[in-house]
Amino acid sequence: GAGVSQSPSNKVTEKGKDVELRCDPISGHTALYWYRQRLGQGLEFLIYFQGNSAPDKSGLPSDRFSAERTGESVSTLTIQRTQQEDSAVYLCASSSTRARSPHLHFGNGTRLTVT
Amino acid sequence: QQQVKQSPQSLIVQKGGISIINCAYENTAFDYFPWYQQFPGKGPALLIAIRPDVSEKKEGRFTISFNKSAKQFSLHIMDSQPGDSATYFCAASKRGAQKLVFGQGTRLTINP
Repeated sequence: GAGVSQSPSNKVTEKGKDVELRCDPISGHTALYWYRQRLGQGLEFLIYFQGNSAPDKSGLPSDRFSAERTGESVSTLTIQRTQQEDSAVYLCASSSTRARSPHLHFGNGTRLTVT
Repeated sequence: QQQVKQSPQSLIVQKGGISIINCAYENTAFDYFPWYQQFPGKGPALLIAIRPDVSEKKEGRFTISFNKSAKQFSLHIMDSQPGDSATYFCAASKRGAQKLVFGQGTRLTINP
């Protein structure tokens, strides 16, 4: 079946511009996550959705970052007034909360470059 | 505060050798410990996972060893192959929680 889909796969933007990153989770997965991965670094948690509510947004680095989710489907991560330090791969994952423990299915990410 | 500490950052192993990656945690509320494998340009994918009620879990050439008293767990890759070259992440989650906390990752290179 279809996996987690992210778009665009690559995005180059000028400093100060706003960007929107999109994630289509696996159908039926109620949990959705955004992570950030800087070059050669680990996975930095940003936000977690259960359905369309976000019980944990503790990882959002600043108020320039926001995310929303429509029902139990598509999510968008918006970065306003982008800065060079925002350059990274943004990974989305989804999981079924019917499982006892989270099995995250990741997309291939959006590589964001801020020039 | 890093809740899961992973080492080494990078590792080079000869083909056929054993690759060992270690993780340590502090939070005793963690009760699920997965390992994820990430190839360049791809998202991480679940490789193998363990719960603290067992000390070892084996799937093919991949084994997790778990030491509850030391709060450590490790991934062993037997007969390492060039196709195992990837970045490996350990992770942990609390009972009933849906959020995973990841280690910093280990870049593994298997030389032919």
